Amino acid sequence: DGGITQSPKYLFRKEGQNVTLSCEQNLNHDAMYWYRQDPGQGLRLIYYSQIVNDFQKGDIAEGYSVSREKKESFPLTVTSAQKNPTAFYLCASTIGGAASYGYTFGSGTRLTVV
Amino acid sequence: DQQVKQNSPSLSVQEGRISILNCDYTNSMFDYFLWYKKYPAEGPTFLISISSIKDKNEDGRFTVFLNKSAKHLSLHIVPSQPGDSAVYFCAASARTGGSYIPTFGRGTSLIVHP
Repeated sequence: DGGITQSPKYLFRKEGQNVTLSCEQNLNHDAMYWYRQDPGQGLRLIYYSQIVNDFQKGDIAEGYSVSREKKESFPLTVTSAQKNPTAFYLCASTIGGAASYGYTFGSGTRLTVV
Repeated sequence: DQQVKQNSPSLSVQEGRISILNCDYTNSMFDYFLWYKKYPAEGPTFLISISSIKDKNEDGRFTVFLNKSAKHLSLHIVPSQPGDSAVYFCAASARTGGSYIPTFGRGTSLIVHP
């Protein structure tokens, strides 16, 4: 079955540590995205990538970094510069440039700073 | 400033009745609108969409209505079922650099009582 796999499901980070969240898709989608969800908030865009080796900042990119070396993979690194990283992180993908298909989302990673 | 607003954080409906979820937007450049359904600790799933050239789109029990002059859209679920209980996100998008990047509302939590 095609889909998006995010791992791990739960992640704990100590203050000052960098952590990397994995996102893999086998849908052959061109575009991939990272969103952050906080309680009572909508989904806020962190980074997105429309093609391999290219990515763009979203609305809240500060303290995050990404890479897109392969079409099927779009890992997100939460750096120590991110002041409030505790949140639910969602990865999504879509056929590039097509509004009508909507996004396919992964099941999310809940990151907690301890 | 929120470009997509879902002013009702929650909605409670009796099973079998109609559920109406509302969404307002401010950006007149938005030309595609989507609704997503989200269960706790899972990624959102695409529900239904509508292009700005239409005023209604129907898919089974779900109908989305778009009023461009009022910058308002609504999702109707008829009849409502307990399994519809979830958070519903409204999203709107405009073409940016060759791709559609949706802006999400904060969500409305729907509870359908048996």
